[in-house]
Amino acid sequence: QSVLTQPPSVSEAPRQRVTISCSGSSSNIGNNAVDWYQQLPGKAPKLLIYYDDLLPSGVSDRFSGSKSGTSASLAISGLQSEDEADYYCAAWDDRLNGVVFGGGTKLTVL
Amino acid sequence: EVQLVQSGAEVKKPGESLKISCKGSGYSFTSYWIGWVRQMPGKGLEWMGIIYPGDSDTRYSPSFQGQVTISADKSISTAYLQWSSLKASDTAMYYCVRRLDGYDYSAFDYWGQGTLVTVSS
Repeated sequence: QSVLTQPPSVSEAPRQRVTISCSGSSSNIGNNAVDWYQQLPGKAPKLLIYYDDLLPSGVSDRFSGSKSGTSASLAISGLQSEDEADYYCAAWDDRLNGVVFGGGTKLTVL
Repeated sequence: EVQLVQSGAEVKKPGESLKISCKGSGYSFTSYWIGWVRQMPGKGLEWMGIIYPGDSDTRYSPSFQGQVTISADKSISTAYLQWSSLKASDTAMYYCVRRLDGYDYSAFDYWGQGTLVTVSS
């Protein structure tokens, strides 16, 4: 059972928009930055969003992040087949004194 | 170009020891925290711990404290993850990661390619 809760899977058609939620608590999301990672099949994860809503250099602006209270969301617009991947949220947890990840969400582009 | 290059796949028996490595290049190795992340087969990501090579300050996840040792040799820009007695449950892919500078403690901007550790009798 992960400290951060994500839906196991989401699916949407190409060119549509999808959101992935990440629910936590006051000791993690509620008090610290949230990051999102994309893991393509067979590859190492890649930083997609940091500090809640910032995009690293080179990441498409089709990706966006937001946070409200103890929940965060990743939105992907203009879905493409190459977006099929596992997506993970992460945050520092003050109570556990460490980084916690969500369980991951598998995105299927129909 | 920033790179983290990890050592190759390992196959070990239960009870054996192991040390895997992660060599950083293209940046000041002593100025960024380097961490380790475990991914068991078909499972999610787990943060194991982190080290600051500049002064060897090391922090562990409570789940991994006492189970592994994280170290670094700044003279050769290399971080290590080691086990003294492997178990079958240590079978996983292990990634080294560089933590982004700043106050976002879970932002890892560069990842190694991963080292697959298989523990089987």
